[in-house]
Amino acid sequence: TQLLEQSPQFLSIQEGENLTVYCNSSSVFSSLQWYRQEPGEGPVLLVTVVTGGEVKKLKRLTFQFGDARKDSSLHITAAQPGDTGLYLCAGVETSGSRLTFGEGTQLTVNP
Amino acid sequence: DTGVSQNPRHKITKRGQNVTFRCDPISEHNRLYWYRQTLGQGPEFLTYFQNEAQLEKSRLLSDRFSAERPKGSFSTLEIQRTEQGDSAMYLCASSFRGNRSPLHFGNGTRLTVT
Repeated sequence: TQLLEQSPQFLSIQEGENLTVYCNSSSVFSSLQWYRQEPGEGPVLLVTVVTGGEVKKLKRLTFQFGDARKDSSLHITAAQPGDTGLYLCAGVETSGSRLTFGEGTQLTVNP
Repeated sequence: DTGVSQNPRHKITKRGQNVTFRCDPISEHNRLYWYRQTLGQGPEFLTYFQNEAQLEKSRLLSDRFSAERPKGSFSTLEIQRTEQGDSAMYLCASSFRGNRSPLHFGNGTRLTVT
């Protein structure tokens, strides 16, 4: 059983569409991070959310941390082919210190 | 370039051989992590160091795996008696101390065991 469940696992959309990726858990996290990974490279941090209910925006990307700090979502507006990649959520449980990753959402944006 | 550096980028070995990977973290960072990633999956935690101390090891890290960070700078990950199931991307990351500090990843070492 994965500590962090991401959905959908795969997403293929047309340029200009909107999408939302979800990251869910039964555990409470002291913080949650979103990363993006391209083939042959390591993940790169997009954002860290810390406070329950927090919303952060990064250009066309909107990140939300659930009120109970158990889940998060990533919304992309007007997706572009350059958004293609593996999106990973990762969290540190309140009782731990290791950063645990979800299985990822593979996003493909077709021109 | 002051990012995280991993060597080699690719390693092909025969089953039963030993392999060693090296990671050079960002010099100001005192934490160093090893993760393993298979195709289409998220990274799986293996172990992490704070300075030279190995603070946590995953149960995934069998007795064939050993990691060191002798001087609190670079780290090595050794796999003894490799098996085909060890084939994966091995990622190293570093960060400042603190559970909210973002991880900076290297580009990984891709291991193929034939």
